[in-house]
Amino acid sequence: SQQGEEDPQALSIQEGENATMNCSYKTSINNLQWYRQNSGRGLVHLILIRSNEREKHSGRLRVTLDTSKKSSSLLITASRAADTASYFCAALNAGNNRKLIWGLGTSLAVNP
Amino acid sequence: DTAVSQTPKYLVTQMGNDKSIKCEQNLGHDTMYWYKQDSKKFLKIMFSYNNKELIINETVPNRFSPKSPDKAHLNLHINSLELGDSAVYFCASSSTGGAVTEAFFGQGTRLTVV
Repeated sequence: SQQGEEDPQALSIQEGENATMNCSYKTSINNLQWYRQNSGRGLVHLILIRSNEREKHSGRLRVTLDTSKKSSSLLITASRAADTASYFCAALNAGNNRKLIWGLGTSLAVNP
Repeated sequence: DTAVSQTPKYLVTQMGNDKSIKCEQNLGHDTMYWYKQDSKKFLKIMFSYNNKELIINETVPNRFSPKSPDKAHLNLHINSLELGDSAVYFCASSSTGGAVTEAFFGQGTRLTVV
């Protein structure tokens, strides 16, 4: 199938808590990317991790990649109400460098 | 300046009509995409063009025809619209070089077929 898988599908937390989302994929990858989508808007790129990297940070975001388990996680620390959005992972298939395989997304609600 | 812009933002039309959605990017990217996002938020790639050449053509009805007049534009024409075509269509672009880097998305066109 085209898509990767993400869990949880929906996550509801309180402001200040950490949010962790997971993504699994099926093929060998070149890189894995995380995107955010606010309701009714386009997707915005958050962070990219290459297949030879294990962990990457960007502000309050921390991404890990485990190529042996074909999985990645996105951690948002000290969440804010403004972090409420859907988060998607996209894996760049190593066999086809122009095709991203998208996850189904995790819908995150951060309650004030 | 908007990096990836698509028009119109909203499109309501009757079944059987033909419509077009336009997309332009000013980022100098060499690859452009059309995605369809359904009501369950599943994002499905439809087409991809690299330097005006079609490189990805997923299983999409041939009522959908992309056209890339130049590297900065990728338009989507849809013939004989059906109720099931209702969705949000996103245009995106990226720079490929050796491999795809981050994709920049337009704001989407919400198509409603009635």
